[in-house]
Amino acid sequence: ETGVTQSPTHLIKTRGQQVTLRCSSQSGHNTVSWYQQALGQGPQFIFQYYREEENGRGNFPPRFSGLQFPNYSSELNVNALELDDSALYLCASSTRLPYNEQFFGPGTRLTVL
Amino acid sequence: DQQVKQNSPSLSVQEGRISILNCDYTNSMFDYFLWYKKYPAEGPTFLISISSIKDKNEDGRFTVFLNKSAKHLSLHIVPSQPGDSAVYFCAASREGFGNEKLTFGTGTRLTIIP
Repeated sequence: ETGVTQSPTHLIKTRGQQVTLRCSSQSGHNTVSWYQQALGQGPQFIFQYYREEENGRGNFPPRFSGLQFPNYSSELNVNALELDDSALYLCASSTRLPYNEQFFGPGTRLTVL
Repeated sequence: DQQVKQNSPSLSVQEGRISILNCDYTNSMFDYFLWYKKYPAEGPTFLISISSIKDKNEDGRFTVFLNKSAKHLSLHIVPSQPGDSAVYFCAASREGFGNEKLTFGTGTRLTIIP
């Protein structure tokens, strides 16, 4: 069974640029959630995708957007990068059942200069 | 508004003793709670969970206790081992489709002293 994978591992961008982060969900999982973890904080929910549609969104501006593909992999896009976007971005996959456990990838460390 | 709180940023425990990590929540709609462990440069790893219909759940050395009236849960690790040194996050969610987002606390760094 393949776990959740994310790419790239690290990324450095400058303010105003755009970035795309990628996630492959665990085998058998049809739901992908994205979280942002700033230094010293817990992960903050960005949004979730189920069957290629957004299914819930946290308190993040529209410049954070996403996609889910038919194979359940997902992308997180961030436009007009700001310094505060520097964080660890985590992808988690799960099945769409009550009392679900979400399984996390290793994350992408984004640094905005 | 921090709906899930872990008020102890760090905790040091002697190897072989009990580690107790605490978590409080404010949203009474939460009915499913999870603990994750995180090592540096890795994503959070699921440890143990509990639903609001229970007040205790055990898995090996790990036990989670839930006190709904106090909106408090705790994770007990017995006996503590050096490999348990990590950051522990408490998370909460609501039952039902469309409510699966996890709300995390800020974490407690557990250090096991050999």
